[in-house]
Amino acid sequence: EPEVTQTPSHQVTQMGQEVILRCVPISNHLYFYWYRQILGQKVEFLVSFYNNEISEKSEIFDDQFSVERPDGSNFTLKIRSTKLEDSAMYFCASSEHRRGGELFFGEGSRLTVL
Amino acid sequence: RKEVEQDPGPFNVPEGATVAFNCTYSNSASQSFFWYRQDCRKEPKLLMSVYSSGNEDGRFTAQLNRASQYISLLIRDSKLSDSATYLCVVTGGIQGAQKLVFGQGTRLTINP
Repeated sequence: EPEVTQTPSHQVTQMGQEVILRCVPISNHLYFYWYRQILGQKVEFLVSFYNNEISEKSEIFDDQFSVERPDGSNFTLKIRSTKLEDSAMYFCASSEHRRGGELFFGEGSRLTVL
Repeated sequence: RKEVEQDPGPFNVPEGATVAFNCTYSNSASQSFFWYRQDCRKEPKLLMSVYSSGNEDGRFTAQLNRASQYISLLIRDSKLSDSATYLCVVTGGIQGAQKLVFGQGTRLTINP
């Protein structure tokens, strides 16, 4: 069964450092997403991406965040200068359709900022 | 008011019991509705979509009341493997159709 894969599974970084989280969506999917979940809290939408551009982003997704699809298969989330409050599980997801279609989530990348 | 509100639980029920979860949402423009399950420290996985007419998938029954902005999930004959956190999820409005809005989740433990 096709799946969304994410790397790394866990990253520990110092505050102020740049972090890149990588995702390989399911190959025939056209819509890509990043969500995050702070420990003990709900899953929160960060950004959606379609046709090589951001289609929607949340208030969380400020100037410190960026996304890119550099090579047609990877979908990356970059945090320019990490803060303690960026510590969370980051989930990549992809879907074939925009409306009502199932989102397939990766297993997540746990980011710990010290 | 929270966008999606759920009773956080925890619910502890014996194996074989029937358990019901409720959820309310605030955005009347939401167009799609789902129940996801999340195991501890794992990714959310789609359990079932929820339709206005109500729908059933084996032991799971979901209902949607758009007028009351209320969604429910019923699990019959619960199994140990049903232990998880159940997430009520709605999509954003017309402009945010791609965005999933998650509830806090209801934690369920099935006891042998």
